Amino acid sequence: DIVMTQSPDSLAVSLGERATINCKSSQSVLYSSDNKNYLAWYQQKPGQPPKLLIYWASTRESGVPDRFNGSGSGTDFTLTINSLQGEDVAVYYCQQNYGSPLTFGGGTKVEIK
Amino acid sequence: EMQVVESGGGLVQPGGSLRLSCAASGCTFNTFWMSWVRQAPGKGLEWVASIKQDGSEKRYVDSVKDRFTISRDNAKNSLYLEMNSLRGEDTAVYYCASQGNNWWDLFDDWGQGTLVTVSS
Repeated sequence: DIVMTQSPDSLAVSLGERATINCKSSQSVLYSSDNKNYLAWYQQKPGQPPKLLIYWASTRESGVPDRFNGSGSGTDFTLTINSLQGEDVAVYYCQQNYGSPLTFGGGTKVEIK
Repeated sequence: EMQVVESGGGLVQPGGSLRLSCAASGCTFNTFWMSWVRQAPGKGLEWVASIKQDGSEKRYVDSVKDRFTISRDNAKNSLYLEMNSLRGEDTAVYYCASQGNNWWDLFDDWGQGTLVTVSS
């Protein structure tokens, strides 16, 4: 199984500042045939189901604000939330869809400082 | 965009059984892989099982193999999860989620979930 490890477990950021979340996979999720990283990010707000934010490590889902940015390749990935807004308070999960079983990171809780 | 609504959760004793249902609308249900993803109270997300569009292929996380069965009825736009020999560690909110054309596709549309509590 591909193990996904996120850090930190939680972070508190002031409104308007940047939040940075890391995700590391136990093996590369870069598929050589299409040169795509099979890594996604989800946002889960309190009491709601998860919502897909980013796929292929850096492609935003339709309607996702451009303050959300994904980067990285191979085994190391980052989700950056620029200019944090109050509505961004949530738990963020990375997920790999490179191999079976599909696996998620443990989540990172983002709060307002 | 698919709308999905789960039902069937509740309190069950260890060793018991439960059947979850997921009703889908707003899409061509039979063109999507469908999955169950669960979340234990205060914990992260865990993929549980997936089923191909025509039901011919099913995938399970190891911890539920031989205990859970995923199925679908395309005529009723419905997905099911039959859960047997339930354990305390199966306690979770179970989400129904749509994927794309392939088992590795991401989870696009989610329901609100149904809570399963395994306790004596």
